[in-house]
Amino acid sequence: DAGVTQSPTHLIKTRGQQVTLRCSPKSGHDTVSWYQQALGQGPQFIFQYYEEEERQRGNFPDRFSGHQFPNYSSELNVNALLLGDSALYLCASSLELAGPTGELFFGEGSRLTVL
Amino acid sequence: QKEVEQNSGPLSVPEGAIASLNCTYSDRGSQSFFWYRQYSGKSPELIMFIYSNGDKEDGRFTAQLNKASQYVSLLIRDSQPSDSATYLCAARGNAGNMLTFGGGTRLMVKP
Repeated sequence: DAGVTQSPTHLIKTRGQQVTLRCSPKSGHDTVSWYQQALGQGPQFIFQYYEEEERQRGNFPDRFSGHQFPNYSSELNVNALLLGDSALYLCASSLELAGPTGELFFGEGSRLTVL
Repeated sequence: QKEVEQNSGPLSVPEGAIASLNCTYSDRGSQSFFWYRQYSGKSPELIMFIYSNGDKEDGRFTAQLNKASQYVSLLIRDSQPSDSATYLCAARGNAGNMLTFGGGTRLMVKP
């Protein structure tokens, strides 16, 4: 049973560029959330996708956008990269039906460095 | 603003001792609480979660929840050097299931 998979694991970009990160949820899960974790801090919620729609969004600018596909996989896009976007980007999957007491698992993350 | 607070540590305990990690939260609407372990450079690994008042035990780990005091804790019995990591506490609300994380507590278990 595959867990949450993310790609790429590491990438380096320069300021102003755009990046796309990908996530496949754990088998049987239908909800994908994205988090940003800066060095030495806890993860911060970016947004959540369910039924191919953005359902909830944290305090992140419109430069951060996403998409969910019919197979529940998801992409996170960041435009006009800033140095401060350097972080570990985490994808988490869960099952909507399980509600707030269901398990939520993270992938290994994509480490983005912006130069 | 909904917040989850943790002491950043480091919390240092000798091998074999009980490590006690604490967390408070501000949103009384929080439904469930998660403890994750994170090794340096790695992603968070779910240890356990709790949503009812009281204790929940899983092996060497016990999570405790007191909703009246808005307090969550994690006890690690017989601490091992391999338990040395950052422990993240997170609260989950009723709407949308997003997690709000604390900043994490760094635990060091000394042989």
